[in-house]
Amino acid sequence: RKEVEQDPGPFNVPEGATVAFNCTYSNSASQSFFWYRQDCRKEPKLLMSVYSSGNEDGRFTAQLNRASQYISLLIRDSKLSDSATYLCVVNPRSYKYIFGTGTRLKVLA
Amino acid sequence: NAGVTQTPKFRILKIGQSMTLQCTQDMNHNYMYWYRQDPGMGLKLIYYSVGAGITDKGEVPNGYNVSRSTTEDFPLRLELAAPSQTSVYFCASSSEGGLETQYFGPGTRLLVL
Repeated sequence: RKEVEQDPGPFNVPEGATVAFNCTYSNSASQSFFWYRQDCRKEPKLLMSVYSSGNEDGRFTAQLNRASQYISLLIRDSKLSDSATYLCVVNPRSYKYIFGTGTRLKVLA
Repeated sequence: NAGVTQTPKFRILKIGQSMTLQCTQDMNHNYMYWYRQDPGMGLKLIYYSVGAGITDKGEVPNGYNVSRSTTEDFPLRLELAAPSQTSVYFCASSSEGGLETQYFGPGTRLLVL
């Protein structure tokens, strides 16, 4: 089983739609979680950290479910500019970060 | 407001050549990382460093070497380039290893022919 798994997509959604991605992780001792956004041929950039109580930043909501070992990202009112690959990142209780392969989102006009 | 810088942006190497990918950060971060990203794949850790003078191997270290003589710089050396090393290389840094945001450089695209 991979340490971090994501559905690669692509998710094709119309503008204004709500879309959700899940990411599962295998190490139950993992202690920090992040969602990064990566545009084509660019470096990953932090979208948001994921806290135990869940957190929201504008149209984006992140949730953590430790019992089932997954994190989720919800995007409301999708914009064309949200089209990107979304990377799930997990820290398995070390100095390192483990990256998922990413979920590709395409928002259609 | 430089953050993490990488040079070169793009390079073509012949099989067997060597090169050094440069990475510099100006945020005084202790932790620095080198990743490679192949098309459609996630980032794979090559080497990392928890401070000046301290480096350690990641998942895919073979064919690469690093050094960390200063807090700011973390160069990655490719010896005897092979086609399998064709990839995009990202350098990153963070203030706390594993717990805090990683900041990435813009990447170096390497093609080995």
